This record gives sequence, C-alpha cells and structure tokens, in this order.
Amino acid sequence: SQQGEEDPQALSIQEGENATMNCSYKTSINNLQWYRQNSGRGLVHLILIRSNEREKHSGRLRVTLDTSKKSSSLLITASRAADTASYFCATDLLSEKLVFGKGTKLTVNP
Amino acid sequence: DAGVIQSPRHEVTEMGQEVTLRCKPISGHNSLFWYRQTMMRGLELLIYFNNNVPIDDSGMPEDRFSAKMPNASFSTLKIQPSEPRDSAVYFCASSRPDRGRLANYGYTFGSGTRLTVV
Repeated sequence: SQQGEEDPQALSIQEGENATMNCSYKTSINNLQWYRQNSGRGLVHLILIRSNEREKHSGRLRVTLDTSKKSSSLLITASRAADTASYFCATDLLSEKLVFGKGTKLTVNP
Repeated sequence: DAGVIQSPRHEVTEMGQEVTLRCKPISGHNSLFWYRQTMMRGLELLIYFNNNVPIDDSGMPEDRFSAKMPNASFSTLKIQPSEPRDSAVYFCASSRPDRGRLANYGYTFGSGTRLTVV
C-alpha cells in the first residue's frame, strides 16, 4: 500500500542542535501529518499541513511540504533530551485513509 | 476529555482463543480507526468507521478479524481464533468531522493494547 517513507531511519544528535527528518510519498494527498511516539506509548499528533500549504510552524517545529516533489520535512529546532522519540509522517489520501511511514527514531543526547 | 480509551492495556492469550479489544473514542469525533503496529510492518490501518458505519476494511488481514461499532461511543476489534502472528500493539484512533482537504486537526490515538498470543 502507498506509504510515506521517512529518512533517515535513525538520527542521533546533541541537545541544542536542530533535527531534520524527511518524508516522501507517492500519490496525491489531502494533507500530511507528523506524529511522535515515545517508547511504549501511543502516537501524539504534532502538526498538520494541508496540500495547498507550503510551510507551517508550531513552537519549535517547522514543517514544509512540496507537492511537486511529493516530499515533506520536519525540523525540530533547539532539540531537548525530551524530544527523544520516533517520528512518523502520515499521508491523508484522497480516499481519506491516513497511511503511516516506518518512522525516524530520534535520539537527543544530553 | 479523557482522550481515546482502550482496554485492556495488555492481553496475553493462548493460540486459538478469542480476543476482544475495546475502544471508546472522544465524544464528538465521528470517525474511528483501528491500526496494528509491529516492528516488521510498521503501522497498518485495519479498518475505519465514519458515523458508526464501516467504510474501508481492506486492511483486515483475514476473516479471523472482525470489528464493530454499535454506537458512537464504543468499538470492538475481535480476533477469533487468535494466532501467534497476531501479536502486536493495536491502536484505536478517532478524529473530528473536519477531515480531508479541510482538516485542521490530526487524529487522537489511544494508548494501545499490547497483544501477545502464545
């Protein structure tokens, strides 16, 4: 089935640095969403960007969307140890099914 | 609001037994989704309901899986008979009516049910 594919699969950085995760997808979408999952927990919605939007901000998060390239990026600025988690992009397809990628595992070292 | 509530949190059962997972969505959310998460396959959409009606069950692995939503505040996912390969974390999520192109909000997920079939 069509999925977003995150890149990289794993990312390790130092506290205070910025973290960038990328997502590519295959077909037209209504919107693209990013979620965070702490180990052993459920998914938490972070930010949603509609197909007609190019950039969106929420606190330390910045999301971009390029529908011509079918790609998105999530930037976390000034990372903290508490940002350690897996991050997933999810594409809301025209059929209104939300399909998830395999995720990026982010480790922020204190 | 208490969020999406799933029960049980953990379930260990023997192969061949029936398993029922439960979900209470957020009040006012009219769409409900069942996902399964494994290391190998990631997050898979099993089935989703809109206004209590099953819309797409193409992700349900086989006839051993069934889901119901008898009212707006309750849904079940049943596996009968269960097999070891069904071991996974099962998530329920709900969303508001403003989805798709007009969406402003994402889905709200429950804490999941960790199912182990031995």
